[in-house]
Formats: sequence, C-alpha cells, structure tokens
Amino acid sequence: SQQGEEDPQALSIQEGENATMNCSYKTSINNLQWYRQNSGRGLVHLILIRSNEREKHSGRLRVTLDTSKKSSSLLITASRAADTASYFCATDEGLTGGGNKLTFGTGTQLKVEL
Amino acid sequence: DAGVIQSPRHEVTEMGQEVTLRCKPISGHDYLFWYRQTMMRGLELLIYFNNNVPIDDSGMPEDRFSAKMPNASFSTLKIQPSEPRDSAVYFCASSFAGVGEKLFFGSGTQLSVL
Repeated sequence: SQQGEEDPQALSIQEGENATMNCSYKTSINNLQWYRQNSGRGLVHLILIRSNEREKHSGRLRVTLDTSKKSSSLLITASRAADTASYFCATDEGLTGGGNKLTFGTGTQLKVEL
Repeated sequence: DAGVIQSPRHEVTEMGQEVTLRCKPISGHDYLFWYRQTMMRGLELLIYFNNNVPIDDSGMPEDRFSAKMPNASFSTLKIQPSEPRDSAVYFCASSFAGVGEKLFFGSGTQLSVL
C-alpha cells in the first residue's frame, strides 16, 4: 500500500521557474526521502529529512517537513529542462539493525519546458 | 562502483512461462529490496533481505512469486507461471544499514507477459 500521496500529479513549468511538489503521508515516520526517476530508469535518491528536522537544503533543492500535518514539500529552484522527471516521496519504517523499508508515494511528473 | 545491476533489461514472455529476474547489489550493502512498479499501483515493495536472509515477503502477491539470495552478491526473483497481470517494471535496490539510509536502485527489468 502507498503511504504518501503527492500533489500535484503533474506539473508543467518554464525553465527558470521554481517547482513545488507536496507529499502527504499517514503514519509516524523516522524520516522522509525524496527520489527522482527519469523515464525508463531507476530511482535516484535526492535528499533525506529526519522527523526532528523542519527544513533541509541541497543545491537547488529545498525540503520541508511538517510532522504535525504529516506533510512534506520539495522545492526545486531555477528549474532546468534536465529536471524533467518524476519525483517521489518515500517514508521509512525503520528496520531492526538499521536500513530502511521505504513506502513510496504516487509521484509527481514534472516537465520543464524551454 | 557499478551500482546495482539488474538483468535482463527487458523481458517478453508468454503467459505460463517461467521468468527469472536477476540482481547484483552494491558490494558491502547488507539490505536488498525487490520493488514492482505499475501505473495502477505505483511502487510496491515485494520482499526484502538482510544479510541474505528474507525478512519480509508480505508484499509478494502470490505463491507464483519467489525470491532467493544465495549469497551477498546475487538475488533472483522468479515468477512461475507468469500471467499478463505480472507485466510491470521490477526494481532491485540495496542499502547499507546505518549509512545514509538511502536506497540505491538498479535500472529495472521491464517485464511484458503476453
């Protein structure tokens, strides 16, 4: 079953604009991760935010987490055509001995046009 | 590091045939996950291993599905007999407990059952 629901399902913007994607989840989490998937490829990890963190930055990425609302957002600033991909949030169920059992959301398809 | 390696990249088979998907995780990773991705159901966790031992196979849809990990560098997912509804992209992912907790995905196997 899917833990996260992403919004919007699809987003089309112009190069240079910012893209914001939202993720809502249902149960308590240890951390939340965002992944990117290019067409026909596997998922690539972008950023991880822990449950005790509220905001995190990595290059042009900014992630926020609101555990009271069980929601997260991913902001991509100054988007580029190469950012065109699907973006997934994933919530973790920590495993005994470490490691993650991730449940993925439904994804947002981002298209960045020139 | 070559990353997670999956084979074959594409598989087309007829209903009733046996299908075997293969995965080589990143060396040193002690967790291995099998996911299935479809348009209707998104990314679903099928099974995961820790140190070659199957820990949770609750996501395996039916007895037709089986997975093995005979050693730390190889895992298989087998479907016997295959059915058209098994058509999907199957991903293998690995992770190293306690370091980053992120998953590294392979490029996937696109399975089509006719």
